Amino acid sequence: GESVGLHLPTLSVQEGDNSIINCAYSNSASDYFIWYKQESGKGPQFIIDIRSNMDKRQGQRVTVLLNKTVKHLSLQIAATQPGDSAVYFCAENRDNFNKFYFGSGTKLNVKP
Amino acid sequence: ETGVTQSPTHLIKTRGQQVTLRCSSQSGHNTVSWYQQALGQGPQFIFQYYREEENGRGNFPPRFSGLQFPNYSSELNVNALELDDSALYLCASSAAAGYEQYFGPGTRLTVT
Repeated sequence: GESVGLHLPTLSVQEGDNSIINCAYSNSASDYFIWYKQESGKGPQFIIDIRSNMDKRQGQRVTVLLNKTVKHLSLQIAATQPGDSAVYFCAENRDNFNKFYFGSGTKLNVKP
Repeated sequence: ETGVTQSPTHLIKTRGQQVTLRCSSQSGHNTVSWYQQALGQGPQFIFQYYREEENGRGNFPPRFSGLQFPNYSSELNVNALELDDSALYLCASSAAAGYEQYFGPGTRLTVT
């Protein structure tokens, strides 16, 4: 079946470096995407979203890029900090009913 | 912190029993979605409620049912619990379908 997946299950970066987390999706009809951060024992925390009529969106220290041609999404975190260590999920919305499909996540480890 | 709250935090049940989990949505949000997150996996969509009506369902059996109340709070009921039902159950609310979705902290259910 169609799914949302991630290229790398674990990413280790040095504090202060930039991080890039990738996500592939397979449904070309998907029109809304959200990146979530989940720390151990907590619910997913909204980071940033992007709609299919955009290819880039920036937030505080984060940028999401959307390439609809290859159905690829990425999350860039600038100047990564130890507090950024968590599992990151991309979530894909395929209809207008907020039914989101999640990948299995990428664990980000930030080394001091 | 989002305004989404869930209760209880943890719960232990025996196989075959029934369980009810509760969620209070963020103020102003009329749409509530429930997700199941197994250990090491991304959240899986169970169903969504919009203005007290079920508005979309994932691939879960009928023993997973829900309710939404006039104040937009919601319940998830699971009958005839199975060992595989052990997971983190997450509630997410949004102002409407297609809008930002915010998660609560989850209820950790253990079935023995």
